[in-house]
Amino acid sequence: RKEVEQDPGPFNVPEGATVAFNCTYSNSASQSFFWYRQDCRKEPKLLMSVYSSGNEDGRFTAQLNRASQYISLLIRDSKLSDSATYLCVVGSNFGNEKLTFGTGTRLTIIP
Amino acid sequence: NAGVTQTPKFQVLKTGQSMTLQCAQDMNHNSMYWYRQDPGMGLRLIYYSASEGTTDKGEVPNGYNVSRLNKREFSLRLESAAPSQTSVYFCASSPRQVNGYTFGSGTRLTVV
Repeated sequence: RKEVEQDPGPFNVPEGATVAFNCTYSNSASQSFFWYRQDCRKEPKLLMSVYSSGNEDGRFTAQLNRASQYISLLIRDSKLSDSATYLCVVGSNFGNEKLTFGTGTRLTIIP
Repeated sequence: NAGVTQTPKFQVLKTGQSMTLQCAQDMNHNSMYWYRQDPGMGLRLIYYSASEGTTDKGEVPNGYNVSRLNKREFSLRLESAAPSQTSVYFCASSPRQVNGYTFGSGTRLTVV
């Protein structure tokens, strides 16, 4: 089983719609969780951290379910500029500075 | 504020040639990383350096060496390039795991 698993997509969603991605992780001791965004032929960029209480940043909401070991990202009122690949990222242990990246979910917003 | 700077941006090598990919960060981060990204494989960790003076192997270290020259710089060396090393290479840095990583813009390497 992969440490971090995501549905690769692609997700083709009309502009203005709401879209949700899920990601599962295998290590129950994981402590740090993130969503990154990667545009075509660009580097990954941090979109948001994911906290146990959940967090929201504008149109983006991230949730963490430790019991089921999954992380979600919700995008409301999607924009054309949201088209990108979204990477789920998990860090296992404090003191071990490595993060594990999912293979990403490709999202295309359709006008 | 430059963040993480990688050089070169593009490189074509012949099989058997050697080269060094350079990475420097100006954010005073302790940890630095080298990843490669291939279609369908996601980002895979090659080597990392949790602090100045230390380096450790990641998931795919074979065929690579690294040097943490100082706190700012972390280089990746291919001693004898192979076509299987054709990839996009990203350097990243982080103050601590909980802060996530900042990536450089990548090096696109083709080995023919």
